[in-house]
Amino acid sequence: SQKIEQNSEALNIQEGKTATLTCNYTNYSPAYLQWYRQDPGRGPVFLLLIRENEKEKRKERLKVTFDTTLKQSLFHITASQPADSATYLCALVWNRKLIWGLGTSLAVNP
Amino acid sequence: GAVVSQHPSRVICKSGTSVKIECRSLDFQATTMFWYRQFPKQSLMLMATSNEGSKATYEQGVEKDKFLINHASLTLSTLTVTSAHPEDSSFYICSASDPGADTQYFGPGTRLTVL
Repeated sequence: SQKIEQNSEALNIQEGKTATLTCNYTNYSPAYLQWYRQDPGRGPVFLLLIRENEKEKRKERLKVTFDTTLKQSLFHITASQPADSATYLCALVWNRKLIWGLGTSLAVNP
Repeated sequence: GAVVSQHPSRVICKSGTSVKIECRSLDFQATTMFWYRQFPKQSLMLMATSNEGSKATYEQGVEKDKFLINHASLTLSTLTVTSAHPEDSSFYICSASDPGADTQYFGPGTRLTVL
């Protein structure tokens, strides 16, 4: 069956360190993959989109990689700050719909 | 840019009543809007895809007579939960696609509690 998986465990890191979140998918061949941030009781906020022909994409302190052979995307936040604490969701587009992972909860400790 | 609003942000109603949730794209025209439901610690579940001027396309298992969707203009879609019951209590989120873009922009969500 088709599925998309993210780190199931919450991630706790120290301020200033780099957070790395993983998104793995099976039985899809998405043209692109997206990462969103969701705070409690709020809708997701779009962060980055990476296409299948792109290996890496950056936006300020954020970096996303996309390995279509491994069927994996990694999401990095460098120089993390307590304000980065949230749930991060990956989603891939399939048949013009977004298919979502469960998300990884990130806590950045001061 | 790409701001989507939702109203109300929170609603509490009695069982059997109907509740309408509005979703508006504020600074762009959205030919397609999406309605999601999210239960605690669950991923977003797509309920339906709403296209301006046509009937919504519902996902498998979503009752179209219970969750009425209207997309009357390029900036407004509404979701009406008819005869709401406690099991309909959830977080409802809409999103809108910016034509020409590959991303969806989400509203802040509506917390529905049915007593």
